[in-house]
Amino acid sequence: DGGITQSPKYLFRKEGQNVTLSCEQNLNHDAMYWYRQDPGQGLRLIYYSQIVNDFQKGDIAEGYSVSREKKESFPLTVTSAQKNPTAFYLCASSLGLAGGWTETQYFGPGTRLLVL
Amino acid sequence: GENVEQHPSTLSVQEGDSAVIKCTYSDSASNYFPWYKQELGKGPQLIIDIRSNVGEKKDQRIAVTLNKTAKHFSLHITETQPEDSAVYFCAAINGGSQGNLIFGKGTKLSVKP
Repeated sequence: DGGITQSPKYLFRKEGQNVTLSCEQNLNHDAMYWYRQDPGQGLRLIYYSQIVNDFQKGDIAEGYSVSREKKESFPLTVTSAQKNPTAFYLCASSLGLAGGWTETQYFGPGTRLLVL
Repeated sequence: GENVEQHPSTLSVQEGDSAVIKCTYSDSASNYFPWYKQELGKGPQLIIDIRSNVGEKKDQRIAVTLNKTAKHFSLHITETQPEDSAVYFCAAINGGSQGNLIFGKGTKLSVKP
């Protein structure tokens, strides 16, 4: 059963704490993306990776970090430097460079991060 | 860079009626326009997309039209059903610039039985 999985579904963060959101895909896609969604807003790009061991900042990268050690995995860490982390976080993937920049992005089910 | 405006922000229709959501974009070089449907608490799902070399695309009750001159594209849903109720997002990308998808702010569609 192919697709994108995100875990956990809900995540709670205490002040000053780093938390990591998981994203895994078995679609054999090269490109992966992290978006943040706030109520009444569109999706804003945090980080993206077109290939293993390489990633680029998106529009709102401050306070976040990522790694791409495996093709299937693209974890996002929300650091304590992110002062307003409460949001719905969405991971997506696409074929990537091999398919061109206009390849369809497919989304995971999301992780809702709440601050205690 | 690209900017995408989406209207209306909320739309309420009676079951069986049609619904139209419109998006305008600023970068005339944008060449790929997907539409996503997001149900409450879930990730967006692609429902239809269009590339700049065509003016219209249909898939059963859903259609998308593209007007490159006016730089706008629209989602049309006919014979709406309660299960069509969701938030719909449009997006645009200039693939030639190696840019990223830019999303509209979404339209909350409510279909009343």
